[in-house]
Amino acid sequence: GENVEQHPSTLSVQEGDSAVIKCTYSDSASNYFPWYKQELGKRPQLIIDIRSNVGEKKDQRIAVTLNKTAKHFSLHITETQPEDSAVYFCAASMGGNTGKLIFGQGTTLQVKP
Amino acid sequence: SAVISQKPSRDICQRGTSLTIQCQVDSQVTMMFWYRQQPGQSLTLIATANQGSEATYESGFVIDKFPISRPNLTFSTLTVSNMSPEDSSIYLCSVEGGRGHLEQFFGPGTRLTVL
Repeated sequence: GENVEQHPSTLSVQEGDSAVIKCTYSDSASNYFPWYKQELGKRPQLIIDIRSNVGEKKDQRIAVTLNKTAKHFSLHITETQPEDSAVYFCAASMGGNTGKLIFGQGTTLQVKP
Repeated sequence: SAVISQKPSRDICQRGTSLTIQCQVDSQVTMMFWYRQQPGQSLTLIATANQGSEATYESGFVIDKFPISRPNLTFSTLTVSNMSPEDSSIYLCSVEGGRGHLEQFFGPGTRLTVL
């Protein structure tokens, strides 16, 4: 079946450094790739997304890249801050425009002050 | 984005009982989904709640265990039936952003503990 692999499972960086989280997906029909940030005890919050017709998207300190040929996409956070500490989930749409999402396993990011 | 609420926010239940979770949205949405997030784990899609027809379940989830209602475009319920401790999870509803957008936004979740 479809799946999304996410790496690393944990990531610790120093404040001001960059963080990169990578995901691969298996469903060739996937055309939408969102990233969510989940703080402890809170709901997942959509932070950035990318569609299959775009290779890169940036929003201030966060950016996402997509390589459809290789079926992988990545989240890049620059100039990390302690408030970036959270669990980050990548996701991929299932079966084209069904609206259904399959999630990666999550990455716990710790930004040390 | 839509304002999404869930009730209850948390509950502690005895095994063998059932709990119904409500999801309310402040605007009409076409697509509404239910997810489960087991402790320390990722999110797993349970089903798509279809308005006016039966829900569409993902592999590993069945209607007898997780009956879903979707009476209109702003409301849905998920029932966790005949509960066991393995059902202890956070249950979240999500809705699509509307206007053909693919973005999904999550409700605050219901934290269920089964003793």
